[in-house]
Amino acid sequence: DAGVIQSPRHEVTEMGQEVTLRCKPISGHDYLFWYRQTMMRGLELLIYFNNNVPIDDSGMPEDRFSAKMPNASFSTLKIQPSEPRDSAVYFCATRWGGQNTIYFGEGSWLTVV
Amino acid sequence: DQQVKQNSPSLSVQEGRISILNCDYTNSMFDYFLWYKKYPAEGPTFLISISSIKDKNEDGRFTVFLNKSAKHLSLHIVPSQPGDSAVYFCAATPNNAGNMLTFGGGTRLMVKP
Repeated sequence: DAGVIQSPRHEVTEMGQEVTLRCKPISGHDYLFWYRQTMMRGLELLIYFNNNVPIDDSGMPEDRFSAKMPNASFSTLKIQPSEPRDSAVYFCATRWGGQNTIYFGEGSWLTVV
Repeated sequence: DQQVKQNSPSLSVQEGRISILNCDYTNSMFDYFLWYKKYPAEGPTFLISISSIKDKNEDGRFTVFLNKSAKHLSLHIVPSQPGDSAVYFCAATPNNAGNMLTFGGGTRLMVKP
């Protein structure tokens, strides 16, 4: 099993630019989560999907953030326009509905300058 | 408002000794608790969990204890090994489905040879 695959692993972008982070879940997993890790706030849930449908997006910080899951094999987290305070590690995680364990990807390290 | 707190940002232990990592929570609705381990540049990986109907769960060298009245849980690692050196996060959820995990800030464990 390839695990949760995230891309890019590292991204440095200028303030104001659009950033798109990508996630391929583990095959068969029907829940997908986007987390953000910062020094100040730790690991926080941004949004999660069940069967490609967004269930809870209360953690999404602002309208600049949007997430989509067009199919069971792919999800994106988009930031437009990006700001320096968006600099963080963004994790995608997935799980199968019959289990409690969430499996994390290796993260996308975003730096906005 | 930190609902899950890990008050020790770091812990140093000698190889072979016991490591005890602590976690406190405030939300009485939490009824399922998990510990994740994170190495640098990797995503968190699931370690062990416990339901609120139990007060102890053991898996090899790892044991999690839950004290509901004190809203406190701890992770014991015996014996500690240098490969255990990592950041440990506790997480809690108000349901047994792991959808809305709230993470603590993490404790960095260093096991010295």
